[in-house]
Amino acid sequence: DGGITQSPKYLFRKEGQNVTLSCEQNLNHDAMYWYRQDPGQGLRLIYYSQIVNDFQKGDIAEGYSVSREKKESFPLTVTSAQKNPTAFYLCASSIERTTDTQYFGPGTRLTVL
Amino acid sequence: GNSVTQMEGPVTLSEEAFLTINCTYTATGYPSLFWYVQYPGEGLQLLLKATKADDKGSNKGFEATYRKETTSFHLEKGSVQVSDSAVYFCALAAARGSTLGRLYFGRGTQLTVWP
Repeated sequence: DGGITQSPKYLFRKEGQNVTLSCEQNLNHDAMYWYRQDPGQGLRLIYYSQIVNDFQKGDIAEGYSVSREKKESFPLTVTSAQKNPTAFYLCASSIERTTDTQYFGPGTRLTVL
Repeated sequence: GNSVTQMEGPVTLSEEAFLTINCTYTATGYPSLFWYVQYPGEGLQLLLKATKADDKGSNKGFEATYRKETTSFHLEKGSVQVSDSAVYFCALAAARGSTLGRLYFGRGTQLTVWP
């Protein structure tokens, strides 16, 4: 089955530690996205990538970093510089960076203790 | 710029009631419009979409019509079920320029349906 996987589903980290969230897709999509979701708010774009080895900052990129070394993978690192990292993180992909539908993974809930 | 405003929740309905969740947008050009649904603890699932004015998206009894004149994309369902309880997000995909393809989301509307 084609789809997007995110792991782990729940992640706990101590304050000051970097943590990497995994996102993998087997849909052969070129574009991938990371969003952050906080209670009562819509999704906010962190980073997006149109093609391998290319990515752009979204609206709230500070304290985050990404890489796109492979078409199917787009990991997100939450660094210690992110002041309030506890949130639900969603990865998405689309065929290409157009107005086409974005498909979402199941999400990772990160809690910083 | 691009933005989406949707009806604030929570919305609480009895089973078989009629549902409307309002959504209006501001956009440059002609965006695509989407409704996504999120069940507790899960990611977003596409519910329906419309790509041009007067298009009607429909799925699982839900409908929404792309109204350019009123810049709206209201979600409706004639008879809700308990299983429809979820958070609903209206979104637009930017149509041009440096924001091409970016999704802009409303804040979400929590729907609870009681038996």
